[in-house]
Amino acid sequence: TQLLEQSPQFLSIQEGENLTVYCNSSSVFSSLQWYRQEPGEGPVLLVTVVTGGEVKKLKRLTFQFGDARKDSSLHITAAQPGDTGLYLCAGDGGANNLFFGTGTRLTVIP
Amino acid sequence: NAGVTQTPKFQVLKTGQSMTLQCAQDMNHEYMSWYRQDPGMGLRLIHYSVGAGITDQGEVPNGYNVSRSTTEDFPLRLLSAAPSQTSVYFCASSYGPNWPQHFGDGTRLSIL
Repeated sequence: TQLLEQSPQFLSIQEGENLTVYCNSSSVFSSLQWYRQEPGEGPVLLVTVVTGGEVKKLKRLTFQFGDARKDSSLHITAAQPGDTGLYLCAGDGGANNLFFGTGTRLTVIP
Repeated sequence: NAGVTQTPKFQVLKTGQSMTLQCAQDMNHEYMSWYRQDPGMGLRLIHYSVGAGITDQGEVPNGYNVSRSTTEDFPLRLLSAAPSQTSVYFCASSYGPNWPQHFGDGTRLSIL
């Protein structure tokens, strides 16, 4: 099993603050996906990063894939209550499935 | 635009009972999978299928069976429910195992 650890596990911030969540592994992944999950629903894909060092932006969200393709980060600028949810990273280790991280539960307080 | 449909949304079982969780997708995806989600554990793969007639085990397959007779449907069977199987179960589909996954809204299962 290729382990993906996410930190922090829980994060509660005020609206307008910036934050970064991390996804780390000792394994190399050929690509990494980020999902957001809202209560009572399944995860929804936000972005896929493929190249080591790659940076992708999705409005106020910035995703980075580590140079060695073992880690990734998600930075949110000026967080809004609509950003509240569980953020999951998932790595493609080359087998017939994805390995999901343990998740970061974000709460943005108005 | 149904996507991935899971039924039922909620279920309570007694220990030892059996049941089938249904999953259907209308996107003509070849790859389908079942995950369970437990607090602090993320999503763990139970079984997956790369096409009709082909299934394989994931990380936590014990106590579960699957079959894939059509492209659209991928049911998950609990043979003899145990309290350790209390969880939220998600079905997902995609064009391939490492493509973006489309998830259903989950089945919340409690085993008493």
